[in-house]
Amino acid sequence: QKEVEQNSGPLSVPEGAIASLNCTYSDRVSQSFFWYRQYSGKSPELIMSIYSNGDKEDGRFTAQLNKASQYVSLLIRDSQPSDSATYLCAAPTHTGGFKTIFGAGTRLFVKA
Amino acid sequence: DAGVTQSPTHLIKTRGQHVTLRCSPISGHKSVSWYQQVLGQGPQFIFQYYEKEERGRGNFPDRFSARQFPNYSSELNVNALLLGDSALYLCASTLDTFTDTQYFGPGTRLTVL
Repeated sequence: QKEVEQNSGPLSVPEGAIASLNCTYSDRVSQSFFWYRQYSGKSPELIMSIYSNGDKEDGRFTAQLNKASQYVSLLIRDSQPSDSATYLCAAPTHTGGFKTIFGAGTRLFVKA
Repeated sequence: DAGVTQSPTHLIKTRGQHVTLRCSPISGHKSVSWYQQVLGQGPQFIFQYYEKEERGRGNFPDRFSARQFPNYSSELNVNALLLGDSALYLCASTLDTFTDTQYFGPGTRLTVL
């Protein structure tokens, strides 16, 4: 089992719709989770972090964390064509030294 | 303030050669992590350095090594390059080893022929 799993997609949504991106993780020790956006040929750009169970909202983005189910999600409201990118879920861990595990990413296409 | 900087932007090497990649963190950040990202995959953790000491190591062979300097900049060295080392190498800056929020540099695209 991969430590951080994401549906590779592609996920296609129409402009203005809600895009829902999901991530599951296997290390119950992980306390924080991050979503990054990566445009083709560019480096990852931090979107949001979440540490506590529940929802965290920042503009059009909402991150959701359920530690019991080991599940993290990212909702993008009013999706725009400029949101078309790969979205990476990341889970840092300090067990046995620091490391961050990234999922393979979900490709999102927002159709105008 | 400048963000994370990396050099060079692109690099072409042949099998068996050695390469050195460089990274400067955000001003005030003391920790640097290195990642390898192969096309179509997420970044794979290689190393984390904090205060010039290695604080984390990923599952990479000993051909990969790194170090951090007193000004918190860092180098990643890869010896005996293989075709499979072709990838985007990313450097991420964090405030310290206890802070998980990472900010990435633009990356170095390494091609091994």
